Amino acid sequence: DAKTTQPTSMDCAEGRAANLPCNHSTISGNEYVYWYRQIHSQGPQYIIHGLKNNETNEMASLIITEDRKSSTLILPHATLRDTAVYYCIVKTSYDKVIFGPGTSLSVIP
Amino acid sequence: DAMVIQNPRYQVTQFGKPVTLSCSQTLNHNVMYWYQQKSSQAPKLLFHYYDKDFNNEADTPDNFQSRRPNTSFCFLDIRSPGLGDAAMYLCATSTPSSGANVLTFGAGSRLTVL
Repeated sequence: DAKTTQPTSMDCAEGRAANLPCNHSTISGNEYVYWYRQIHSQGPQYIIHGLKNNETNEMASLIITEDRKSSTLILPHATLRDTAVYYCIVKTSYDKVIFGPGTSLSVIP
Repeated sequence: DAMVIQNPRYQVTQFGKPVTLSCSQTLNHNVMYWYQQKSSQAPKLLFHYYDKDFNNEADTPDNFQSRRPNTSFCFLDIRSPGLGDAAMYLCATSTPSSGANVLTFGAGSRLTVL
């Protein structure tokens, strides 16, 4: 699996957009970018995934650079309930999911 | 709703006393995973089943075993729990395809070892 690099922690003001970066410079052509989050004491929750194109769903947007070496998860209007650890994972459909340390996002009132 | 259910949510056991955690799914997914998550750490993959094929991670201790009697159920057996096995145990399921492979997680089983 391609390795990912994420900041250890980030803060975001409530109501503002939270932009969480992820570097995956060794990504291969058939590897997808996935984002999960884990709220304290709960199981991880799938957020969004993409291959080449930008993606948007009801939870977030995923922006993937043209060279696919990095991506950004955007929570458009962060709320206190978005405080969690966010994991960026790069893998093929058939690879197992290995979690890195992730980014601890704190949404500040 | 289709989901992944883990039981029990909280388990207290004594040092060395075997414990079994269960996971059931109504998603009909063919892959089931067990992760161990210690405090302030990322989930760590222990093993997974692809249908009936068992895949153990190289660094998973022998103390941890798993059974999958059918598609819907998977069990994690800890034969002789030590203090270092206290953790949250997470079950997840998926169905790989030519497209995405999204994992669905249960709420976890928190194990305390006295």
